[in-house]
Amino acid sequence: NAGVTQTPKFQVLKTGQSMTLQCAQDMNHEYMSWYRQDPGMGLRLIHYSVGAGITDQGEVPNGYNVSRSTTEDFPLRLLSAAPSQTSVYFCASRAGLGEPNQPQHFGDGTRLSIL
Amino acid sequence: AQKVTQAQTEISVVEKEDVTLDCVYETRDTTYYLFWYKQPPSGELVFLIRRNSFDEQNEISGRYSWNFQKSTSSFNFTITASQVVDSAVYFCALSEEGGGADGLTFGKGTHLIIQP
Repeated sequence: NAGVTQTPKFQVLKTGQSMTLQCAQDMNHEYMSWYRQDPGMGLRLIHYSVGAGITDQGEVPNGYNVSRSTTEDFPLRLLSAAPSQTSVYFCASRAGLGEPNQPQHFGDGTRLSIL
Repeated sequence: AQKVTQAQTEISVVEKEDVTLDCVYETRDTTYYLFWYKQPPSGELVFLIRRNSFDEQNEISGRYSWNFQKSTSSFNFTITASQVVDSAVYFCALSEEGGGADGLTFGKGTHLIIQP
């Protein structure tokens, strides 16, 4: 049972480069989301999706783009990387559309450094 | 807007001591859900417990216990007879029933260090 799989685990980019963080889940969860974790800040919601073809912004969406073409995959795109986007990124999924009482299952994270 | 405060940035205790991690939340919803997650040094996030706003019953799971008090908007986490393996960052989080983002609002975390 793979759960939520994130790739890559580590990445170093130069300012201005673009890249896509991959996230896949095999639990048939409708709800998926991306968080970033910065020292002393906890985790903050970037974007989320309540199903294929439906995405919306969270607390800190600027500089990021998402799409949801399938239930399983929810990639996060950095359009033009900036040093402020250096962070650890977590993808999460949750069973039950509109059921905030369900715990979210997190991937192992992607540690991203922007030089 | 909802908010979660974990005032203790770092706690250090000696093994076998009891330790309580504090969590205070703010929300305007009458229905909401509280969570605790553990982040060990390896970095993954591990779900520990969920509590619904309409269920104030405290819960015990082995050495872990949780005290939910709506009157003080608190959801504290106690580890009894702490062990070195309990060393981690612990996050308290809130999810609202009618929240537009439908995501979790996290506290900033408490770094717990258990010294042998």
